[in-house]
Formats: sequence, C-alpha cells, structure tokens
Amino acid sequence: AAGVIQSPRHLIKEKRETATLKCYPIPRHDTVYWYQQGPGQDPQFLISFYEKMQSDKGSIPDRFSAQQFSDYHSELNMSSLELGDSALYFCASSLGPQHEQYFGPGTRLTVT
Amino acid sequence: QKEVEQDPGPLSVPEGAIVSLNCTYSNSAFQYFMWYRQYSRKGPELLMYTYSSGNKEDGRFTAQVDKSSKYISLFIRDSQPSDSATYLCAMRANFGNEKLTFGTGTRLTIIP
Repeated sequence: AAGVIQSPRHLIKEKRETATLKCYPIPRHDTVYWYQQGPGQDPQFLISFYEKMQSDKGSIPDRFSAQQFSDYHSELNMSSLELGDSALYFCASSLGPQHEQYFGPGTRLTVT
Repeated sequence: QKEVEQDPGPLSVPEGAIVSLNCTYSNSAFQYFMWYRQYSRKGPELLMYTYSSGNKEDGRFTAQVDKSSKYISLFIRDSQPSDSATYLCAMRANFGNEKLTFGTGTRLTIIP
C-alpha cells in the first residue's frame, strides 16, 4: 500500500539558512499534519491542513510557515534556521481530520 | 506536568513473554487513543486506534482503554525480537482538535 512520502530524507543546512520540506500524503488523504521530534523526545505537533486550509496550529515558530497545495501535498518552509531546529520532521496524513494519522519516514534536518 | 505520562523504560523481556505497556493521561478531553511503534530513525507506525473504553484485539496486540481511570495499555502476546522498538501512546480530543499528544515512548527489547 502507498505510504506518506517525504523529501528530502536528509538535509544539512547552516545557521540562518532556509529549508523547505515536502510531504506527499497517501492517495485520497486530504489532511496533512507536521510534527517535530527532537533527539530522545516524543513528536510535537506543529501545524495541520484540511482541504488546503490550516486547521490546527501547535508550537510552530513564527520563522516557520506551511501550506497545502491543490494536489494535497504540503510544504514546510523554515527560515533563519537555528541549531535548535535540528530534529526529525514528520508528516502524517489522514482521510479527513477525524481519522487515523499515518506517518511518513521523516526528514532529518541538521543545522550546523 | 505532561498531559500524557509513559514509563520510558527501557524494558527488556525474553522472547515469547507477554509485554504490558501503559500510559496515563490527565486531560479528560482526550477521546481517541492510539499506539504507535517506532523503529530507530523511522516514522511512527500505527498499531492500534481505539475510541471506547474496553479492549480491542488485533493479532498479537490488545489495546485496553479505561477512561474512568484515564489509563491505557497495550499488551503484546508471544513477543518476537522484531517487536523490539520504541512504543508511543498518543491521544487526541474530539472534533476540531486534531493534534496528537504523545507519551515519551517506552523502549522495548525482546531478548531471543
């Protein structure tokens, strides 16, 4: 079965640079979620989209923005990167906001 | 105090043993409960998704929810070395609040 696709899988950036993470949900899934997982920590919710509209917002820094496109894929844009932004970034998708969330393999971001 | 508490372990058991993993929560708004399995450097994999108090069985896995005590459990029967992973409980409130709140995860090792 098709799963959530994330790209890139690994990304190395320097401080103050910009990064863009992409997420392609499972076919027919219209809801996308972004989570950040620091080393040894549980995933923390950042933001979600349903039918291309932001539906919920968590502890997402103002330096980050995200959107969902007409084909339901989503992009997380991160600017003025800081060392503390180094983490695994997961995208999850669901068939509507009230259903199970399926996670992608994650993007490992390293900020040096 | 975190909304969801989970014993971080680590937990080591011999192959074939029954494993019990537990989470407690404080937010009575949580209505949906999930268990995810996460292998090192991989995305969380959905194992169980429950709503009602009581038991739900799927193969070797049984999820148990006790809303009156704000306590959930995951039982793994006939444990296998391939079950070695970190197990995360997750939960969310009802409609309009889609973010998942995770426990810190329990690291499980099944010893052959």
